[in-house]
Amino acid sequence: DVKVTQSSRYLVKRTGEKVFLECVQDMDHENMFWYRQDPGLGLRLIYFSYDVKMKEKGDIPEGYSVSREKKERFSLILESASTNQTSMYLCASSSQNQQGGYEQYFGPGTRLTVT
Amino acid sequence: QKEVEQNSGPLSVPEGAIASLNCTYSDRGSQSFFWYRQYSGKSPELIMSIYSNGDKEDGRFTAQLNKASQYVSLLIRDSQPSDSATYLCAVNVNNFNKFYFGSGTKLNVKP
Repeated sequence: DVKVTQSSRYLVKRTGEKVFLECVQDMDHENMFWYRQDPGLGLRLIYFSYDVKMKEKGDIPEGYSVSREKKERFSLILESASTNQTSMYLCASSSQNQQGGYEQYFGPGTRLTVT
Repeated sequence: QKEVEQNSGPLSVPEGAIASLNCTYSDRGSQSFFWYRQYSGKSPELIMSIYSNGDKEDGRFTAQLNKASQYVSLLIRDSQPSDSATYLCAVNVNNFNKFYFGSGTKLNVKP
């Protein structure tokens, strides 16, 4: 079974703090993703990575950065946390399957509250 | 126009009934189709994948795909209260980064 783990289930930070969210997958997947999910807005893609040290902006990258130094690990960084970054953060990984499609598997999520 | 459209619900069905969840998509290049189940406060869990027109059955779940109509559905037979969750439809255009999610349909199964 694919396993994606995230460093924290719940996190409370203060405005202006630098926040690190860690994600690790154990299936040797090439692609990793960071989403945030908010009520009424659905899943929104922040950043993704298709290889070590490679990253691409998603739909809402402002205020975030990422790091992928190893294939299994993808980190999301909030440079200076703000209250509007209070959200559920979801990490996912994917790899091409036999049918040519890409299935995404999610970690358990991190509920971040910025006060 | 959104890439993937779902009725937000809630869809309420009695225990033991068939729940029918529907999804339409806009990109005719879409090749892979998925259903995720998400319990409140939890992350999405992949429950069904379908790649060709027709039906695909897995236990109480049946996914149906009609590419000509750009329509995907999920049927849940013998619905149980434990099936109460939000169901997300997702499509992939066979490119790792072209993966689009619907906003989800909330299903309530009443005992």
